[in-house]
Amino acid sequence: SQKIEQNSEALNIQEGKTATLTCNYTNYSPAYLQWYRQDPGRGPVFLLLIRENEKEKRKERLKVTFDTTLKQSLFHITASQPADSATYLCAPRMDSSYKLIFGSGTRLLVRP
Amino acid sequence: NAGVTQTPKFRVLKTGQSMTLLCAQDMNHEYMYWYRQDPGMGLRLIHYSVGEGTTAKGEVPDGYNVSRLKKQNFLLGLESAAPSQTSVYFCASSYASDSYEQYFGPGTRLTVT
Repeated sequence: SQKIEQNSEALNIQEGKTATLTCNYTNYSPAYLQWYRQDPGRGPVFLLLIRENEKEKRKERLKVTFDTTLKQSLFHITASQPADSATYLCAPRMDSSYKLIFGSGTRLLVRP
Repeated sequence: NAGVTQTPKFRVLKTGQSMTLLCAQDMNHEYMYWYRQDPGMGLRLIHYSVGEGTTAKGEVPDGYNVSRLKKQNFLLGLESAAPSQTSVYFCASSYASDSYEQYFGPGTRLTVT
């Protein structure tokens, strides 16, 4: 079965540093992968989408990579700020449908 | 634009009681989804709809029913609530486009005692 793995341990970093979050998937090859941000008590918010033929995607301080050989996506936040503290969810596309499989998320804490 | 709204925000039920959660979107999205989120398990798809009058089962459909009589509304029903259905429920919607970026509501926290 399709499986998504994100580091369940919180990532704790100093303000100004680069945060790197990992998403690994097994048993299939998604056509694209999405990243969402979720704040406590709120619904997820879409951040970025990367397709299988794209190695890297950027949006302001965010960067996502997609390695289909390693079956892994990395999510980077450069010059991190305390306001970036949240849980980040990885969501590869499920099979050939429009449905997504969500990872359980990694919590990021940025210390001032 | 209100985006995706959900009612109610909180609800406490006793085992065996029934209730309906309402989701509404004003973005003219074709697709709508219901998820549940439990600690450490991420979002799991309960049911979804690709258009008015159509629904389909997701990953964890047992104990739930849905209806989409109008394009902008997607209802999730619990006929006989069980403690295992204690969770946070999120509704989402998306265009029928290749990227299918999903827009989420604020969630409903349901406790079944």
